[in-house]
Amino acid sequence: QSALTQPASVSGSPGQSITISCTGASSDVGSYNLVSWYQQHPGKAPKLMIYEVTKRPSGVSSRLSGSKSAHTASLTISGLQAEDEADYYCCSYAPSNTWVFGGGTKVTVL
Amino acid sequence: EVQLVESGGDLVQPGRSLRLSCVASGFAFEDYAMHWVRQVPGKGLEWVSGISWNSGSIGYADSVKGRITLSRDNARNSLSLQMNSLRTEDTALYYCAKDLRYSWNLAAFEIWGQGTMVTVSS
Repeated sequence: QSALTQPASVSGSPGQSITISCTGASSDVGSYNLVSWYQQHPGKAPKLMIYEVTKRPSGVSSRLSGSKSAHTASLTISGLQAEDEADYYCCSYAPSNTWVFGGGTKVTVL
Repeated sequence: EVQLVESGGDLVQPGRSLRLSCVASGFAFEDYAMHWVRQVPGKGLEWVSGISWNSGSIGYADSVKGRITLSRDNARNSLSLQMNSLRTEDTALYYCAKDLRYSWNLAAFEIWGQGTMVTVSS
């Protein structure tokens, strides 16, 4: 199962909005509403930010939102803040009963 | 406080075996699916294996299928990953993760431990 495709890096100024794309295939992202997004700061464990495409766990900022169109999922961070600077990974349920991650996107706050 | 504590990581030679453990606290362990996800330092995440609440369903990544066995002991709030025939490409930080739901193929990885490092090298 191939990894999902994410841009290597995305940057924005404080207060701006950025969007991270996660491109899969019709057989994974396109077939299941089981896309999740994880934030990882250096040296820390990943943290769940979005699950089932659009849902936010309790305690996660409403500035984060998820969406999906065909076989591409997206994570949007609005009102960018310094604390948002981190690596972000998407994940989707995939054929052959597996989970597949994207390669990760480094978000830089300028 | 929900907590996952992994242990068992070590430096081992190729072809040898290793058993990783994860002890959970702060939630009803027996109600949730659990997973192992690994990460080569400086690289991305890779799902390794998941197990449903009652061990009735277990999934493995193709990269480890046939070499690893995932099990859980709900009475002890523990998760175990038996890794055999280890390869250099298994070198990674192994995270234990709690699922949002009871089955490993329904939702997402809600809570993560801090990881245990496995290094496979001669």
